[in-house]
Amino acid sequence: GAVVSQHPSWVICKSGTSVKIECRSLDFQATTMFWYRQFPKQSLMLMATSNEGSKATYEQGVEKDKFLINHASLTLSTLTVTSAHPEDSSFYICSAPDSGRGQLETQYFGPGTRLLVL
Amino acid sequence: GENVEQHPSTLSVQEGDSAVIKCTYSDSASNYFPWYKQELGKRPQLIIDIRSNVGEKKDQRIAVTLNKTAKHFSLHITETQPEDSAVYFCAASIGNTGTASKLTFGTGTRLQVTL
Repeated sequence: GAVVSQHPSWVICKSGTSVKIECRSLDFQATTMFWYRQFPKQSLMLMATSNEGSKATYEQGVEKDKFLINHASLTLSTLTVTSAHPEDSSFYICSAPDSGRGQLETQYFGPGTRLLVL
Repeated sequence: GENVEQHPSTLSVQEGDSAVIKCTYSDSASNYFPWYKQELGKRPQLIIDIRSNVGEKKDQRIAVTLNKTAKHFSLHITETQPEDSAVYFCAASIGNTGTASKLTFGTGTRLQVTL
């Protein structure tokens, strides 16, 4: 149980285009999901907290108009990187706690999406 | 906000030896401390976690200790094997019942187990 999937697993796009990444909880409901970005050989940096049915909460320094988050259902959150630039190239990972297990601290991670902006 | 420091950044041990990774945190309100293992290009995998109401937890070759007074916690891997080679991240959060809490990660430790 507690499986999180992401789609796509990797994407290459041209500078200036937008890219949508999906994060799904496959066997549980997630009212909250988290989006992280990880540059090569670095740690995971939290970008935003996605809340089902309400606005996302962004970490300091993360542009909300550039990284659009939508959490329209209890199993799906999307991250859209708008007007992507080469510096947005990174590994994007989502996570979600399984509220059904009663321990909301434990987060289960998706497999990540590798974005390369040319 | 919370700040988590992790040492060492790289660690090389011979197969069969023990490995110890240490983390410190800044926010005394933090009460949940997971450890994740991440292989190259893969997702972080939870390997063990500890809550502030206990001082030590063990799962086979892996153990975690927590010192709340000093605000540090450590990961211990005994009898290391080549498949233990990966990057290990510690993290901390303020866990509350009923709400999901965000994790603050350490900078990671690249563990290399040599034959």
